[in-house]
Amino acid sequence: GAGVSQTPSNKVTEKGKYVELRCDPISGHTALYWYRQSLGQGPEFLIYFQGTGAADDSGLPNDRFFAVRPEGSVSTLKIQRTERGDSAVYLCASSLRGGETYNEQFFGPGTRLTVL
Amino acid sequence: SQQGEEDPQALSIQEGENATMNCSYKTSINNLQWYRQNSGRGLVHLILIRSNEREKHSGRLRVTLDTSKKSSSLLITASRAADTASYFCATDLPTGANSKLTFGKGITLSVRP
Repeated sequence: GAGVSQTPSNKVTEKGKYVELRCDPISGHTALYWYRQSLGQGPEFLIYFQGTGAADDSGLPNDRFFAVRPEGSVSTLKIQRTERGDSAVYLCASSLRGGETYNEQFFGPGTRLTVL
Repeated sequence: SQQGEEDPQALSIQEGENATMNCSYKTSINNLQWYRQNSGRGLVHLILIRSNEREKHSGRLRVTLDTSKKSSSLLITASRAADTASYFCATDLPTGANSKLTFGKGITLSVRP
């Protein structure tokens, strides 16, 4: 079956612009996660949705970052007034459920964001 | 912040040799997982070991967990050129309500044909 998909695969923008990154989770997965991976680092957690609600947004670096999942499926990560330091690969993952002992997260291919 | 630290940071071996990668973490965990990543994208889940397990096997992979030392090792036996990738350990916390994974910085494995 289809895995997690993310669009666009690459996004180049200018400093100060607004961007939206989209994630389509695996059908039927109720939990969805966003991570950010800078060059040479491991992924860092941003936010976790259970259904439509953000169950944990403790990883969002500041109020320029916001994410939504209005119908409990597709999610959009929104970044306002982008800065060069926001350049990274943004990874989305989904799992059948969240908050349980076993929690395999399936990752998408990521969106590479470059802020010039 | 990153919880796990993998060791070594980079490893280069000959095809057919075994590769051993280590991960240490700081806080109590629920599970520890190993992921592989090719070309900076697309993390692939390799194996999960629960905090009450000590060793697990999957094909050519063997994972051990020592909770007293807060460390894990991933052994890839009879390595192949296709195993060339970055490998990350990831942990999640014991509280059931928290599903986020905390990753280490990763190990770059190069397998020479």
